[in-house]
Amino acid sequence: GNSVTQMEGPVTLSEEAFLTINCTYTATGYPSLFWYVQYPGEGLQLLLKATKADDKGSNKGFEATYRKETTSFHLEKGSVQVSDSAVYFCALTPGGSSASKIIFGSGTRLSIRP
Amino acid sequence: SAVISQKPSRDICQRGTSLTIQCQVDSQVTMMFWYRQQPGQSLTLIATANQGSEATYESGFVIDKFPISRPNLTFSTLTVSNMSPEDSSIYLCSVEDLQPERAQYGYTFGSGTRLTVV
Repeated sequence: GNSVTQMEGPVTLSEEAFLTINCTYTATGYPSLFWYVQYPGEGLQLLLKATKADDKGSNKGFEATYRKETTSFHLEKGSVQVSDSAVYFCALTPGGSSASKIIFGSGTRLSIRP
Repeated sequence: SAVISQKPSRDICQRGTSLTIQCQVDSQVTMMFWYRQQPGQSLTLIATANQGSEATYESGFVIDKFPISRPNLTFSTLTVSNMSPEDSSIYLCSVEDLQPERAQYGYTFGSGTRLTVV
């Protein structure tokens, strides 16, 4: 079946530190991969996505590369800010041309200290 | 991508009452999805709503507790019925979005409804 596994939180870093949040997946075919962010008190926002192997999604200084050989889509940022404090969800939609359910990881809470 | 207006953004309700959450989309979409996010948890799909047919519920969710309407291609409602404190969660609607760079669908989410049952 299809599933997403991401590193457990909470993750606490100092401002300007390097961030990695690990995400691995299991899927049949060629899924699309996503990172969503949920800021305190808000709904989900799409942060970035990649639709095929070796694609790199990027937004707001965050990056993630679709690695088919390791079935991974790790989220990275070179220098985090306090405003990046949020919960981050890795997700996938299975491959194919028809609409299908999005499958979420458990979420990783990130806290950035000033 | 589609823009979703979800309301109310939050509410505090008495146990035993019902709350209806609305989602309005700025474009016509085939499928709409309703999720629940319990405190500190990930998202759980409640049901999928297609226009003109009964909603399809996931395991553990039933129509009597979470009736859904989908009167047209731009609007849906989810009702949380006979509420108890265990229903305190964030409820989110979501729609499929056609990604033009590939013939595959992605998702946009509403801003969520934070429900507290007392």
